[in-house]
Amino acid sequence: GAVVSQHPSWVICKSGTSVKIECRSLDFQATTMFWYRQFPKQSLMLMATSNEGSKATYEQGVEKDKFLINHASLTLSTLTVTSAHPEDSSFYICSARVPWSGSSTDTQYFGPGTRLTVL
Amino acid sequence: AQSVTQLGSHVSVSEGALVLLRCNYSSSVPPYLFWYVQYPNQGLQLLLKYTSAATLVKGINGFEAEFKKSETSFHLTKPSAHMSDAAEYFCAVSGSFGNEKLTFGTGTRLTIIP
Repeated sequence: GAVVSQHPSWVICKSGTSVKIECRSLDFQATTMFWYRQFPKQSLMLMATSNEGSKATYEQGVEKDKFLINHASLTLSTLTVTSAHPEDSSFYICSARVPWSGSSTDTQYFGPGTRLTVL
Repeated sequence: AQSVTQLGSHVSVSEGALVLLRCNYSSSVPPYLFWYVQYPNQGLQLLLKYTSAATLVKGINGFEAEFKKSETSFHLTKPSAHMSDAAEYFCAVSGSFGNEKLTFGTGTRLTIIP
């Protein structure tokens, strides 16, 4: 099956700094990637949809200037948490959708997640 | 718009017993339905999916789920629980028109009692 990787798997940073998380599709090209956020013992909440070569689409309530998304190639999307604060501490998960399938929604593959801790 | 409700945030079953995790959905359009499993500190792995073909869907690791439109349900079952089944399970729904977002339930933590 399709493999999605994330880097780093965990990161600790100081409040006020920025952190970049990478999401890569290893064996397929993904025109669309998704970024989710998961608080402890809670479900995944979609933050934004990342489309290659265009601006990301953010969900309501997600600050686009704080969570910068770049999808510069068909295999890489990045999420940058700018001026991170302790409340940004969370588990961030990306997924990538295999393009050109007859039923595109059911081919979303998830990365292993990145745990961000902001001190 | 779509939503899913997972009944029971925690379920405990004995090893070898039947596993039943409940999911009810709400959708204004024909839905696609999914079950994902998440092990600690890991991403999500697709267990199975319903995409308007057979209503009884078989997935990996011996799991299956049945789509019941009349009950708006998509419950996940496994005849005999293994210790390795202990994990968090998420039900998710999307529309069936393609290129649509997944909406996840709140999850059910499955504990297996030796």
